[in-house]
Amino acid sequence: DAGVIQSPRHEVTEMGQEVTLRCKPISGHNSLFWYRQTMMRGLELLIYFNNNVPIDDSGMPEDRFSAKMPNASFSTLKIQPSEPRDSAVYFCASSKTGGLGQPQHFGDGTRLSIL
Amino acid sequence: DQQVKQNSPSLSVQEGRISILNCDYTNSMFDYFLWYKKYPAEGPTFLISISSIKDKNEDGRFTVFLNKSAKHLSLHIVPSQPGDSAVYFCAAYGNEKLTFGTGTRLTIIP
Repeated sequence: DAGVIQSPRHEVTEMGQEVTLRCKPISGHNSLFWYRQTMMRGLELLIYFNNNVPIDDSGMPEDRFSAKMPNASFSTLKIQPSEPRDSAVYFCASSKTGGLGQPQHFGDGTRLSIL
Repeated sequence: DQQVKQNSPSLSVQEGRISILNCDYTNSMFDYFLWYKKYPAEGPTFLISISSIKDKNEDGRFTVFLNKSAKHLSLHIVPSQPGDSAVYFCAAYGNEKLTFGTGTRLTIIP
């Protein structure tokens, strides 16, 4: 079975540019999560969706960040404009049932570097 | 405010011995706990979980213990194998919030 697929695996871009991270959850999973991992703050939940609807976006750091889930098989996390402090590894995860407490399946992440 | 703490950034254990990874939490609203394992350049993988109504859950070589009064949980791996070398994260869920610890890097020495 295919796991959670994230693209790109690596992204290097200059400050001020728009960055779009993509995620394809596991087929049949109803919940999708976006995380950011940094050395300073560890793994932080940014936003999660149940049945394509955003449930909690309180972890989104600022208005420069936005996430969408237009259908059950695709989600994007966009940063516009990007800043050097956005450099991190961004993970997408999905789970079969709703709720944050359920075990999640993670993608391999996108390593983002903003110069 | 770090509500979930893994105070040991790293741990080295001889192959075949027991590995014990610890996690402390401060929020009494947490009622479900999970452990994830992460290899370099990969995403975390779910290992085992425990509900606050239990004090122990076992799955093969992995056992998680929960001490609610001390707000402490631990993951025991026995016997430890080289493939267990990874970063281990504990996570706590409660009141519609999920919080991860900062991780402990476990190295199994052959």
